[in-house]
Amino acid sequence: TQLLEQSPQFLSIQEGENLTVYCNSSSVFSSLQWYRQEPGEGPVLLVTVVTGGEVKKLKRLTFQFGDARKDSSLHITAAQTGDTGLYLCAGARSNSGYALNFGKGTSLLVTP
Amino acid sequence: DSGVTQTPKHLITATGQRVTLRCSPRSGDLSVYWYQQSLDQGLQFLIQYYNGEERAKGNILERFSAQQFPDLHSELNLSSLELGDSALYFCASSATSGSYNEQFFGPGTRLTVL
Repeated sequence: TQLLEQSPQFLSIQEGENLTVYCNSSSVFSSLQWYRQEPGEGPVLLVTVVTGGEVKKLKRLTFQFGDARKDSSLHITAAQTGDTGLYLCAGARSNSGYALNFGKGTSLLVTP
Repeated sequence: DSGVTQTPKHLITATGQRVTLRCSPRSGDLSVYWYQQSLDQGLQFLIQYYNGEERAKGNILERFSAQQFPDLHSELNLSSLELGDSALYFCASSATSGSYNEQFFGPGTRLTVL
């Protein structure tokens, strides 16, 4: 059972456009992490959000944790070709030792 | 570079065989997690160790086992391998095992079972 649902599954946009990726669940998480993964490599941590309603900004990336700590979003402003990759959200819950439950990911392609 | 190392990078073996995957966590991290990534299932949590002791279990098959040694490196043992075990296996480490711990992933081991 997939606890976290990500949408869209695939996204192809042109350089300079904005985009938002969503991560939704019916479960409450203690914290939520966003990763980016390149083919054949390990996921790279982008950000961790822990407080309901929290917003974190990393340059052109804005991450938001829902008030109820059940959902999150990632917004990218003025996408660049270097943003291409698989974006994964992952939630931690106390009843599973805080191991991460991953969504299936959003595959982003940014073309020139 | 996350600081987490995994060996080997690639592993090709036959059905019925047994293999061992190795992981060294980041310096100072006490917690090690193992994950399996396949095309249809995505990243799935297998098992967690904290300072040498098993802390949590996920979707780990009985044919699979793991341990964490006193120097904190960890090994994942996969036995009686089946074609469906072909996947990327990742190890992640974190400083603690609490809810705010951030997990850092290794480069993975790609297992191919023929």
